[in-house]
Amino acid sequence: QSVLTQPPSVSGAPGQRVTISCTGSSSNIGAGFPVHWYQQLPGAAPKVLIYGNTNRPSGVPDRFSGSKSGTSASLAISGLQVEDEADYYCQSYDSSLSEVVFGGGTKVTVL
Amino acid sequence: QVQLVQSGAEVKEPGASVKVSCKASGYTFTRYDVSWVRQAPGQGLEWMGWISGSKGTTNYAQKFQGRVTVTTDTSTTTAYMDLRSLRSDDTAVYYCVRGGGSTGQGFDYWGQGTLVTVSS
Repeated sequence: QSVLTQPPSVSGAPGQRVTISCTGSSSNIGAGFPVHWYQQLPGAAPKVLIYGNTNRPSGVPDRFSGSKSGTSASLAISGLQVEDEADYYCQSYDSSLSEVVFGGGTKVTVL
Repeated sequence: QVQLVQSGAEVKEPGASVKVSCKASGYTFTRYDVSWVRQAPGQGLEWMGWISGSKGTTNYAQKFQGRVTVTTDTSTTTAYMDLRSLRSDDTAVYYCVRGGGSTGQGFDYWGQGTLVTVSS
């Protein structure tokens, strides 16, 4: 059971917008610790997609955006493309556990 | 450019230990923490622990306390992860990543991963 909760899967047609939620608690996201998002393509190492809640590293398309409110965060993918099929993970820090925590991951399928 | 290059795949018997190395280059090694994250087959990401690049202090996930040791050699800019008393459910890809720490920073660079297989 992951400390951060994500839906196991989301899907959408090419061009659509999908969102992935990441729900935490008052000891992690709600405590103000930043949320980061990672994309893992099949057979590859994860790579950072969004850092510090809303920031995109250079090279990440602006179709990807992050937001945070209260004890939750979200990743939105607009203009969904076939190459966006991957697993996505949120990550933060939990002050009660004194540990880095990940969400369980969400598989995005392009229909 | 920043690179984290890990040692090769390992096959170990239950009860043995494994030590995975991670050679860092392209940045000032002591300015960043290094963490270790693992991923069992078909499963999600699991943080194991970090080491401060500047102080050498460590923090481990409770799940791995007493079984894992993370060290660095600043002279060779290499980080190491030593996992003992291996079990079959330790079979996973182990990643070294740049970042960690109690301020909640993310992981901006990842090694290529090292597959550790535990089997008799």
